[in-house]
Amino acid sequence: GEDVEQSLFLSVREGDSSVINCTYTDSSSTYLYWYKQEPGAGLQLLTYIFSNMDMKQDQRLTVLLNKKDKHLSLRIADTQTGDSAIYFCAESSLPNYGGSQGNLIFGKGTKLSVKP
Amino acid sequence: GAGVSQSPSNKVTEKGKDVELRCDPISGHTALYWYRQRLGQGLEFLIYFQGNSAPDKSGLPSDRFSAERTGESVSTLTIQRTQQEDSAVYLCASSLEVLAGGRETQYFGPGTRLLVL
Repeated sequence: GEDVEQSLFLSVREGDSSVINCTYTDSSSTYLYWYKQEPGAGLQLLTYIFSNMDMKQDQRLTVLLNKKDKHLSLRIADTQTGDSAIYFCAESSLPNYGGSQGNLIFGKGTKLSVKP
Repeated sequence: GAGVSQSPSNKVTEKGKDVELRCDPISGHTALYWYRQRLGQGLEFLIYFQGNSAPDKSGLPSDRFSAERTGESVSTLTIQRTQQEDSAVYLCASSLEVLAGGRETQYFGPGTRLLVL
């Protein structure tokens, strides 16, 4: 079945760049997402990328997609203490079995710790 | 406008009891999803509702789990005869109608933290 893998922890200093990596196995993945989860809060969609794109930039966030290697990364420039959270990579593909069109496959999340 | 809300935010129950979790989606969102997040794990898809179509229950882990949705509004997830392994955060998400071949952003609620003693 589909699988999404992420490293569990990342620690950076305030002001540095953070790079969170993700790999996935489903070659039919069409949409790839990054969600942020702060303590006690719901998941917040940060950004997403379509599989026909290599890169997407949104303010401090840069998403890079290597479709050949099935590798996705999220770069946070000038990381701040407020960026400390768990970051989830998720993928979804178009249905080919007549079932749900909606479910996302998530990684286990990368806990980002930002030190002042 | 209001986002997705869930209640209760925390629930502690004894093994063997039934629990009911509630989700209020964003108004106008026809698609609703339930996920489970165990400690240290990613999210597991449980069930999906889309308008008046039959729900996709393919992710429900056992027949102790069931979910209902009233029209395009509130949904309840019921866990009967709870077990300790049911302890998790249960997250609800909603999105606009999922068009054929398309994709709509899912907006998540804050979750219900369930602890089964």
